[in-house]
Amino acid sequence: AQKITQTQPGMFVQEKEAVTLDCTYDTSDPSYGLFWYKQPSSGEMIFLIYQGSYDQQNATEGRYSLNFQKARKSANLVISASQLGDSAMYFCAMSSPNQAGTALIFGKGTTLSVSS
Amino acid sequence: DAGVTQSPTHLIKTRGQHVTLRCSPISGHKSVSWYQQVLGQGPQFIFQYYEKEERGRGNFPDRFSARQFPNYSSELNVNALLLGDSALYLCASSFASILETQYFGPGTRLLVL
Repeated sequence: AQKITQTQPGMFVQEKEAVTLDCTYDTSDPSYGLFWYKQPSSGEMIFLIYQGSYDQQNATEGRYSLNFQKARKSANLVISASQLGDSAMYFCAMSSPNQAGTALIFGKGTTLSVSS
Repeated sequence: DAGVTQSPTHLIKTRGQHVTLRCSPISGHKSVSWYQQVLGQGPQFIFQYYEKEERGRGNFPDRFSARQFPNYSSELNVNALLLGDSALYLCASSFASILETQYFGPGTRLLVL
């Protein structure tokens, strides 16, 4: 069965520092997508970055990059130059077309706290 | 362009009651998915609809039902509410149903007393 594991309940970083949020996944499907979402205390899930299983290069979106290591089944999110506004819960998710309804499977999340 | 909208934003119900949550997708998106997020957990998939047809159902009891309308908006219905149904209900839309990025609305916070 497909599964997403986020082992870091909380991470603490100072402004302007880089931080890596860990994510490992388990699937037997050859075609899948990996996503990272940010959820502030307001509750809305904000899409950050996407990586397809066949993509050769790591995805980047501004200060966000996804360190995709397919053989290790890991998809870590790297946030460069952290800002106070980055403080939030971060979720790693996977979508697989072979799964019923191509739903997103989420990990338990990592709380990121950025201090000045 | 407007993002995904959901109504109401907050709701308080008592056990045994029925609730209807509503979602309007991003313009041009034909797929809507519903997720339940209880406190301290990641969202759990409930339903996906594409072109008005159910494309997937998560591991939720039959008390949960949904539908999608011709304008691609969607309703989630929950009957015979239980205390455990208290959660944030998130709606997400995407253009298609396969490996497309899902964009989420602000959610509806449901409290069952």
